[in-house]
This record gives sequence, C-alpha cells and structure tokens, in this order.
Amino acid sequence: QLQLQESGPGLVKPSETLSLTCTVSGGSISSIGYFWGWIRQPPGKGLEWIGNIYYTGRTYYNPSLRSRVTISADTSKNQFSLRLSSVTAADTAVYYCARLIERTHNWFDPWGQGTLVTVSS
Amino acid sequence: DIQMTQSPSSLSASVGDRVTITCRASQSISTYLNWYQQRPGKAPKVLIFAASSLQSGVPSRFSGSGSGTDFTLTITSLQPEDFATYYCQQSYSTPYTFGQGTKVEIK
Repeated sequence: QLQLQESGPGLVKPSETLSLTCTVSGGSISSIGYFWGWIRQPPGKGLEWIGNIYYTGRTYYNPSLRSRVTISADTSKNQFSLRLSSVTAADTAVYYCARLIERTHNWFDPWGQGTLVTVSS
Repeated sequence: DIQMTQSPSSLSASVGDRVTITCRASQSISTYLNWYQQRPGKAPKVLIFAASSLQSGVPSRFSGSGSGTDFTLTITSLQPEDFATYYCQQSYSTPYTFGQGTKVEIK
C-alpha cells in the first residue's frame, strides 16, 4: 500500500526558506502516469495547491507562489521535496504531499498525514 | 484561475439523513471534478473522481453527479463517521483549485 510521509522543520523564521521532504513507500515515484504534489492548508482554512512534479523533473506550479517555490525529486531516495523562499506568517499552514493520479482525469490519492509549519521569529 | 464555490458552507444533519452539497465552477470544467472528505486533524481523502466515479473502498452511500459548471455530492443515510468537511476540486486546468469546504455537523 502506497504511503507518503512529510518531514522537515516545524518552525521557520520570517524571510527564510521552508524546506520539506516527502518520502514515498510502497511504490516508486518513477512510476509512469503519476505526478507528485504539494498542497497546503492554513489553520482553520481551505486547501491550496502548491505544485506537482513528474519523476523526469517536469514541474507545474501555482502562479501565486511560482516566484518562491521549487519542487524537486530524488528518484534514488524515492523522495520529492518542496522549497518555499522568503516566507511570511501567511505561509503558516499544514503542508501535505500527495500522489496525483493522471489518467483521462486526475485526482490526488493518497495523501500524507501532513506537517504543520509555523512561520515565526 | 477557475473559482470553485461550494454551498452550503456548513450544515447540520442527523444520522440517517440524506445530505446534498453543491459545487459550482466559474467556467465549464466538463467532468474534471473531484470530491474529498477531511475529518478533523486528518488529511483529505478522495471520495469521488471525474465527477461521478466512486473511489475504491468508499461506501456506496456517497455519489457524485454533474458536468459543466454545476456538481453535486450526495450522501444517502448519513453515518456517524461522515461528519467531516467536504471539498470539491477542479482538475480541468492548473492551478488546481478547491472549493472553500462544507462542514457537515451533527444536529
């Protein structure tokens, strides 16, 4: 059964860079037909798509975050990562990684449990 | 960006009730619409993909319908474990966007 697990610092200072890693087990991020994505959820609020990556390195980013976001993949470790630069308090959120199943339609399944990142000095 | 609007934002219902949640897209998205359930403190879980396809393992009391701009998630005979927040999400084009959520509470 495919599982995803986020890891990284839970506290980041304003203006610094948030870095998270998603470790995938029970399957390979190099599998054909799947993207790997990041979604975030500020406390008490809704969901915001951050971006996706294919194992070849092809990426799609939310234009609202594109200038600050980098998503990368390490197929040897079966991991993909998120970097968000110049963070502010508005970036405080639970960050989820998820597999994007890409068929005629596409959807996120499964999701990691999520990790709370707080931006504060 | 495609805006997704859900209604209602919250509702109160009893065990056994039939519940309907609607989602409207700001432009036609064909059937590129997914529904997720999020229980408190947990990650979202897909219930319905492609507007009406039931995800494997999801109880048949959940169903989805619609195309174009108007979509519906229906829960027949609400169960205690169904009290949660439900989100629609369009996968027609990036940036993928979600509705604001509908919280289903116990009456």
